[in-house]
Amino acid sequence: NAGVTQTPKFQVLKTGQSMTLQCAQDMNHNSMYWYRQDPGMGLRLIYYSASEGTTDKGEVPNGYNVSRLNKREFSLRLESAAPSQTSVYFCASSGTLDSPLHFGNGTRLTVT
Amino acid sequence: QKEVEQNSGPLSVPEGAIASLNCTYSDRGSQSFFWYRQYSGKSPELIMFIYSNGDKEDGRFTAQLNKASQYVSLLIRDSQPSDSATYLCAAFNTNAGKSTFGDGTTLTVKP
Repeated sequence: NAGVTQTPKFQVLKTGQSMTLQCAQDMNHNSMYWYRQDPGMGLRLIYYSASEGTTDKGEVPNGYNVSRLNKREFSLRLESAAPSQTSVYFCASSGTLDSPLHFGNGTRLTVT
Repeated sequence: QKEVEQNSGPLSVPEGAIASLNCTYSDRGSQSFFWYRQYSGKSPELIMFIYSNGDKEDGRFTAQLNKASQYVSLLIRDSQPSDSATYLCAAFNTNAGKSTFGDGTTLTVKP
């Protein structure tokens, strides 16, 4: 019963490097999300996908791109990493947009 | 003004006491509300959700919603040290089609 699986768990990048965070869910959920969480702060929405084939910007989309590869998978790409992108990234999914969210275990990203 | 605001905390209660966590929201388009618990270094997990005015109880947890006052609360009865965590309030806005989170309230239950 995997739920939402994120990879990698930890990553260190140098400024300007690129990387893709992977996320997959096995709950047949329609909606998927990427959040970032900075110390002492709540979750801020980066991008979301209401259903397969659609993606929309959240509160803090600058510097990120996403791909909803299929119903199960939703990836987040940093094209040119910046120190301001040092954060913990959570992928989540839900049956519909107004349903409770199920979170992955998070990716701790450090950009030096 | 933030869309979802929570008491900044931290909140400390003795074991066995009632912990009261509060959340206000600014947009009346918000219709569904969620409480998540997040242990340090872990991911958030759903505790309760509430859609209708009034109280909703689940074990030691009670969620209260007052749409007229734009206020949501979470009561934890008989608080245990294992309840020590950060509690995140989220509001789903029907017009925006997405949820917004508060910054969270950190609760410490002292034995």
